[in-house]
Amino acid sequence: TQLLEQSPQFLSIQEGENLTVYCNSSSVFSSLQWYRQEPGEGPVLLVTVVTGGEVKKLKRLTFQFGDARKDSSLHITAAQPGDTGLYLCAGFRTGNQFYFGTGTSLTVIP
Amino acid sequence: NAGVTQTPKFQVLKTGQSMTLQCAQDMNHEYMSWYRQDPGMGLRLIHYSVGAGITDQGEVPNGYNVSRSTTEDFPLRLLSAAPSQTSVYFCASRRGGTSYEQYFGPGTRLTVT
Repeated sequence: TQLLEQSPQFLSIQEGENLTVYCNSSSVFSSLQWYRQEPGEGPVLLVTVVTGGEVKKLKRLTFQFGDARKDSSLHITAAQPGDTGLYLCAGFRTGNQFYFGTGTSLTVIP
Repeated sequence: NAGVTQTPKFQVLKTGQSMTLQCAQDMNHEYMSWYRQDPGMGLRLIHYSVGAGITDQGEVPNGYNVSRSTTEDFPLRLLSAAPSQTSVYFCASRRGGTSYEQYFGPGTRLTVT
């Protein structure tokens, strides 16, 4: 069983549309990260959120950490083809272990 | 500064064979980890190390061994390959302490027939 569940698993949208990806768990995490992965490459860190309720913005991407530190969301405004990729959330707990979500595959159609 | 490097990029093994996946980092990071990535399951932690000479098990350690004799290198050994170990393997490193930023290598795609 996965500690972190992401939804949706697949998302295909037109350029210019907005989207939200969710990362949910019943466990509490010290911090939560979002990565983007392109085919044939390793994941690349986008952001780390640490405080419950924290919101971080990275250009058109907005990341939020739930108040209870059990969930997170990634919102993309006006998606572009360059946003295409696999988005992964990862939660950090004591014991030096990161637990990754199941992943959301995003395709942005020009 | 190459970051995290992994070799080989691709590997095909027969059931029962053994092999070592290599991982090296040049950032003087304390922490290193091995993950496997399977469709629909994200990344799962196999083993990790918090410094030279110190290793520990992750979520899915069975069938794999690791050692950390230097800060730079963290090889992953498959003792007797099984088809269930067909996967993409990623090595990652981070500075340690309160630094959560992980840097990943490009991955090794392993097929066991």
